[in-house]
Amino acid sequence: NAGVTQTPKFQVLKTGQSMTLQCAQDMNHNSMYWYRQDPGMGLRLIYYSASEGTTDKGEVPNGYNVSRLNKREFSLRLESAAPSQTSVYFCASNEGLHSPLHFGNGTRLTVT
Amino acid sequence: QKEVEQNSGPLSVPEGAIASLNCTYSDQGSQSFFWYRQYSGKSPELIMFIYSNGDKEDGRFTAQLNKASQYVSLLIRDSQPSDSATYLCAVMDTGRRALTFGSGTRLQVQP
Repeated sequence: NAGVTQTPKFQVLKTGQSMTLQCAQDMNHNSMYWYRQDPGMGLRLIYYSASEGTTDKGEVPNGYNVSRLNKREFSLRLESAAPSQTSVYFCASNEGLHSPLHFGNGTRLTVT
Repeated sequence: QKEVEQNSGPLSVPEGAIASLNCTYSDQGSQSFFWYRQYSGKSPELIMFIYSNGDKEDGRFTAQLNKASQYVSLLIRDSQPSDSATYLCAVMDTGRRALTFGSGTRLQVQP
């Protein structure tokens, strides 16, 4: 029972490079989320998808794009990485409003 | 900007004591509240959720909610060294329909 799977686990980028973080869930959840976590700042919402075919901006969307590829998959793209995007990125999913979030194991991204 | 506030700690308690973790929130319309535990280098894991005013107990954990005061707390009875972690409070943002997290309280249980 995999739950929420994120790839890659670790990544180092140079400033200006692009990359896509992948996320897939096998729990048939409707909603999926991308958060970033920085020391002392908790989890901040980047983008979310309340249902297949919809995406919405969260608290810190600048510099990111997302794609809800199908019900299972929700990817996060950094078009031109910046050192300020060095962080731990968590993907999460839930059945819908008021339901607990289930988190992936995270992607640790360093931008030099 | 909807806010969720937690004392960053560390909160240090002796083994066997009760640990009390507190959280306040600004979104008066919030209807669902969650506590997550996060060990260093790991992802958050759900401990409890609460929707109604009052107390909700699950084993050694009790969540308390007071919507009038916009306050939610987590009590951990008989604290164990394995409870040492960061505890994240999360509140449903009624505008975004997504969880807003506090910055977390670091708990240290001393053997």
